[in-house]
Amino acid sequence: EAQVTQNPRYLITVTGKKLTVTCSQNMNHEYMSWYRQDPGLGLRQIYYSMNVEVTDKGDVPEGYKVSRKEKRNFPLILESPSPNQTSLYFCASSFGTSGAYSYNEQFFGPGTRLTVL
Amino acid sequence: DAKTTQPTSMDCAEGRAANLPCNHSTISGNEYVYWYRQIHSQGPQYIIHGLKNNETNEMASLIITEDRKSSTLILPHATLRDTAVYYCIVRAYGSGNTGKLIFGQGTTLQVKP
Repeated sequence: EAQVTQNPRYLITVTGKKLTVTCSQNMNHEYMSWYRQDPGLGLRQIYYSMNVEVTDKGDVPEGYKVSRKEKRNFPLILESPSPNQTSLYFCASSFGTSGAYSYNEQFFGPGTRLTVL
Repeated sequence: DAKTTQPTSMDCAEGRAANLPCNHSTISGNEYVYWYRQIHSQGPQYIIHGLKNNETNEMASLIITEDRKSSTLILPHATLRDTAVYYCIVRAYGSGNTGKLIFGQGTTLQVKP
């Protein structure tokens, strides 16, 4: 089944304790992205990746890191989480964003609900 | 990317058609109209997209006005499982696109028995 998976789905942690949220897709998609969703603010893009070893900042990248060493994986790293990073996080992927792929739909993962105390 | 305006909420009776409007009066010629929905904090789900012609797939129909300033998503026979927040998104086609989807507040559709 074509899908985007995220782990963990739920996480409660404490300020300053490094964590990684994994994202994996099995559709051979080139493009991957991370969003966070907060009440009243909607979904905001954190980072995106056009392809392996190519990443770029979205609208709210502060406090986050990403890597794209393999096509299928795009982990989100919080080196020193703070309470303002408590949020619902979504990973998304698509075939691409340029040329004939630029209108393709994006597939979203099920979400990771993170609480930082 | 052009801004969209949607009603905050709508109700629909189960089995009836749900018509969700979207205004995108500043849309540019290279911008597509996309619809996604989000069921209770799950990941957003793609529904349909179009440029200027009406589109239909197994989930819904998309009607775009001739001047492309507005569109309507039609769920032909709404079920309780269609209760969700529906987002109308306008995004440019072409290279250099960051792929970012700008989710507004959307329309909360409540399908009632």
